Amino acid sequence: GAGVSQSPRYKVTKRGQDVALRCDPISGHVSLYWYRQALGQGPEFLTYFNYEAQQDKSGLPNDRFSAERPEGSISTLTIQRTEQRDSAMYRCASSLLADGGYSQETQYFGPGTRLLVL
Amino acid sequence: DAKTTQPPSMDCAEGRAANLPCNHSTISGNEYVYWYRQIHSQGPQYIIHGLKNNETNEMASLIITEDRKSSTLILPHATLRDTAVYYCIVRGTGTASKLTFGTGTRLQVTL
Repeated sequence: GAGVSQSPRYKVTKRGQDVALRCDPISGHVSLYWYRQALGQGPEFLTYFNYEAQQDKSGLPNDRFSAERPEGSISTLTIQRTEQRDSAMYRCASSLLADGGYSQETQYFGPGTRLLVL
Repeated sequence: DAKTTQPPSMDCAEGRAANLPCNHSTISGNEYVYWYRQIHSQGPQYIIHGLKNNETNEMASLIITEDRKSSTLILPHATLRDTAVYYCIVRGTGTASKLTFGTGTRLQVTL
């Protein structure tokens, strides 16, 4: 089946604008994760969901960042009043389960959305 | 999750085995060792994971020392397509579901 998909793949926006990044997880995957990756660095955890419930948002850098997954499938990461420092690759991952034993917790990553804030 | 230490870069000749080390001296008993890799700008790709026994799959082998303070990822016959950044990650299961990536090892496979 299809893997994790993200849209848009590239987003250029002006400082101060709001952006919404979409993630479509692998069908049937319960857990969904958002990461941010700066150039030359490993991905950095932002938040994750089990079904529609946000389980951990400790990685969100400030209150301009929010995420939702209202029906337990597609998720949207929203950045309000974007700043230049928000420029990065935003990656989504999904796993079958988060608490179902290690074999079901393998995270599968999407291609990412590259955000550039001018 | 326990911290990991990896060399920043390594080279390997094509066709030879690539042995990528990782130190995780503060690992606790219920934490697994995971390996992911990232080819160019693609999303990270799962390779293998283990708890204390050595593991092998179609991609690689994972050797974990008896004290679990270090491990080695082995790519038995490296190809140019294995050139990537390899991340060693220690994490618990269940509630500690996030992956904490370090800076990884940049493996360059050469002719």
